[in-house]
Amino acid sequence: SAVISQKPSRDICQRGTSLTIQCQVDSQVTMMFWYRQQPGQSLTLIATANQGSEATYESGFVIDKFPISRPNLTFSTLTVSNMSPEDSSIYLCSVALGTYEETQYFGPGTRLLVL
Amino acid sequence: DAKTTQPNSMESNEEEPVHLPCNHSTISGTDYIHWYRQLPSQGPEYVIHGLTSNVNNRMASLAIAEDRKSSTLILHRATLRDAAVYYCILKTGANNLFFGTGTRLTVIP
Repeated sequence: SAVISQKPSRDICQRGTSLTIQCQVDSQVTMMFWYRQQPGQSLTLIATANQGSEATYESGFVIDKFPISRPNLTFSTLTVSNMSPEDSSIYLCSVALGTYEETQYFGPGTRLLVL
Repeated sequence: DAKTTQPNSMESNEEEPVHLPCNHSTISGTDYIHWYRQLPSQGPEYVIHGLTSNVNNRMASLAIAEDRKSSTLILHRATLRDAAVYYCILKTGANNLFFGTGTRLTVIP
């Protein structure tokens, strides 16, 4: 398993501003993912964070809005840019582990409220 | 990714077994069946996964139909701490997870 921490755990932001969320893992991992969970909804994958290259974004998510960094094998950041109230969600990072990287372990999430 | 169908909600009495069903009639030969659960105000946690044979671990058992078109997650003795949303997900290899709506399990004391 892996121990994953996220900072901040929660924040309240004004519209038009940006917030950077950090994800730290206690071991080196190849695959890291960022998800969004809107209020009362299931999780939606935003992107796969690749170490040493650009993130791979899912349909409906773009780099200008959700820039991602992956400077090493234990750390990643997700920025939510030019926020609007519709960005109010829980943002979660996860890592893939296992013999075939078949199991994902999730961080506790960052609860974001945009006013 | 192949689709799964789960009941929106289920209830169970504390200390009793719980059987959470999942239908996946379009499953492919390389799809593993994964179960995750999300406790209130937490990130999802891995429960169990399997391919063809039934699987057991310390958290639960996974019963897979012979034709693999359905599976059942079994919690042998439900506790209040098992109240969560349970997600059944089909996954091939080390790709990402696509979460459906899941089953919200309520455990009645």
